[in-house]
Amino acid sequence: GNSVTQMEGPVTLSEEAFLTINCTYTATGYPSLFWYVQYPGEGLQLLLKATKADDKGSNKGFEATYRKETTSFHLEKGSVQVSDSAVYFCALSDRTGYNKLIFGAGTRLAVHP
Amino acid sequence: DARVTQTPRHKVTEMGQEVTMRCQPILGHNTVFWYRQTMMQGLELLAYFRNRAPLDDSGMPKDRFSAEMPDATLATLKIQPSEPRDSAVYFCASGLSTQGSGANVLTFGAGSRLTVL
Repeated sequence: GNSVTQMEGPVTLSEEAFLTINCTYTATGYPSLFWYVQYPGEGLQLLLKATKADDKGSNKGFEATYRKETTSFHLEKGSVQVSDSAVYFCALSDRTGYNKLIFGAGTRLAVHP
Repeated sequence: DARVTQTPRHKVTEMGQEVTMRCQPILGHNTVFWYRQTMMQGLELLAYFRNRAPLDDSGMPKDRFSAEMPDATLATLKIQPSEPRDSAVYFCASGLSTQGSGANVLTFGAGSRLTVL
């Protein structure tokens, strides 16, 4: 079945450091890929998405590229801020499931001044 | 901004009691999902609906959980009887979807935090 694997956290960084959170997936066909972010006490919100191979999703300085050859969708940001501290979820949605999202376990990011 | 509204935000109850969580999806969205979040299991899909019809509830313990959409503006998730292992945050999400398109975005509510003593 479809699944998402992301790196375990927590990831602890200093402000302005470079961020990478790894995400790989297993899926039949050509899923759409997403990163969602969850701030403390809140629901998940979409950070970025990509719908086909080689697409790059970007938002708020975050980027991720859909790599079909490596079945990956790693999240990157060049310079993190304290306000980026949150839990980040990689997810996929196949084209048969009416937007049903399959999530990774989440990676907690803590950014210190 | 349109939002998904969930009530209650917090619920503390005793084992054996009935719990009902409610969700108002975004007007015009045709899919509704219920997810459960725990530290141990992460985000689990419990059930989902399209045009108010249940499509899949295989992730839900059938003996005690039930999910319904009595109308397009209300989705409910009920637990009867509740148990301590049901303690979790329950999220509702809605989206606009057509079959074959996996790209549409889900909007999540803020969640209902349930504690069963």
